[in-house]
Amino acid sequence: QVQLQESGPGLLKPSETLSLTCTVSGGSISSYYCSWLRLSPGKGLEWIGFLHSGGNSNYNPSLKSRVSMSLDTSKNQFSLRLTSVTASDTAVYYCARLLGYSFDSWGQGTLVTVSS
Amino acid sequence: IVLTQSPDTLSLSPGERATLSCRTSQSVFSEHLAWYQHKPGQAPRLLIYRASSRATDIPDRFGGSGSGTDFTLIISRLEPEDFAVYYCQLYGTPSGIIFGQGTRLEIK
Repeated sequence: QVQLQESGPGLLKPSETLSLTCTVSGGSISSYYCSWLRLSPGKGLEWIGFLHSGGNSNYNPSLKSRVSMSLDTSKNQFSLRLTSVTASDTAVYYCARLLGYSFDSWGQGTLVTVSS
Repeated sequence: IVLTQSPDTLSLSPGERATLSCRTSQSVFSEHLAWYQHKPGQAPRLLIYRASSRATDIPDRFGGSGSGTDFTLIISRLEPEDFAVYYCQLYGTPSGIIFGQGTRLEIK
């Protein structure tokens, strides 16, 4: 059974860069689409993007200019980077596995707050 | 494409039947439609994929149906643990993967 766990700083200042890591156990990230999503009171659930070890990637058009993702297959981890954060980026961030057309495994989520 | 869930909040008692709606602003492939359950502090849980297929370990009281622009999640007999927020999700739109705004299922 695949398990995912997010980690990273919980508090950022406006204009800083958000960096989160997802550690996966019970399966190799080389074989599926690694995804990031977030949940905020104002926007609900929002897909951020996905990345496959084969190179295929897709990002939410509304975030694309600020988002990058990467994989470290040796550590079975994948990461999210979101630049120039503002208060509207405050959310619970989730990593998940995209299998087919839906997300079948999710991490517990990590709260990221952007505040000066 | 926009996903609109209704109602925003549904108040029912254990044992009752819950019917949750997800409508799309244009016709979509039913294979691209999924449903999730989310409880505070927990990971969202995939319930239904491809509009009508139950995910692993999902009880058969959960059922999904629909096509075109109208999709439905039915919980046949509510258990206490079913009270949560439910989201529909659509893959493959011009905006990528999108979610409905959610339906909160609360105990009456």
